[in-house]
Amino acid sequence: DTGVSQDPRHKITKRGQNVTFRCDPISEHNRLYWYRQTLGQGPEFLTYFQNEAQLEKSRLLSDRFSAERPKGSFSTLEIQRTEQGDSAMYLCASSLVAVVGAGAYITDTQYFGPGTRLTVL
Amino acid sequence: TQLLEQSPQFLSIQEGENLTVYCNSSSVFSSLQWYRQEPGEGPVLLVTVVTGGEVKKLKRLTFQFGDARKDSSLHITAAQTGDTGLYLCAGAPRRNNAGNMLTFGGGTRLMVKP
Repeated sequence: DTGVSQDPRHKITKRGQNVTFRCDPISEHNRLYWYRQTLGQGPEFLTYFQNEAQLEKSRLLSDRFSAERPKGSFSTLEIQRTEQGDSAMYLCASSLVAVVGAGAYITDTQYFGPGTRLTVL
Repeated sequence: TQLLEQSPQFLSIQEGENLTVYCNSSSVFSSLQWYRQEPGEGPVLLVTVVTGGEVKKLKRLTFQFGDARKDSSLHITAAQTGDTGLYLCAGAPRRNNAGNMLTFGGGTRLMVKP
């Protein structure tokens, strides 16, 4: 158990429905990442937050995907109007980042949660 | 776009054999991490290598980061059935990049038979 939790672990939905997943990071971690992993592939980066700010979202797969981290703690990932191609494992990871100088960062390792397995029928 | 290629994709060996998994890129990474993933679970960190040429050992596992920080290898000595799983390498971008989105390789699925 890495300390990152995700809920639910499994979600089965019908095409066209909206789904929302939750991630609770390690408590002192300020960065939170979302990845998607399809069968037989490595995880693919989607978006990340530093505290409550979403610093990169251009990799979200379409405008049906959105993520929030309103209080800089837990995060939610929502997929609207799900499609069969959205079926995958959605992984959350967290890390601790410290700024050490102008434009320079020390980044800690990312710790992953157990994932949410989404099946769209 | 930074890409990481892992080889082999699949590996089936007998218990007690040695094996090496490779992770290669044309891009430079500030660090590289190795994860192991069980079916239906998230990746679990094995090691992080940061310095070019660095070698780290974790019991029977030896990890090496290439001198140019573009490639890495994982060597397992005397494999055991408990080593079965998906091994993933993941590279972090250059240190002065504020984002730290990991680029993952496609994974090596290892099966160790008794």
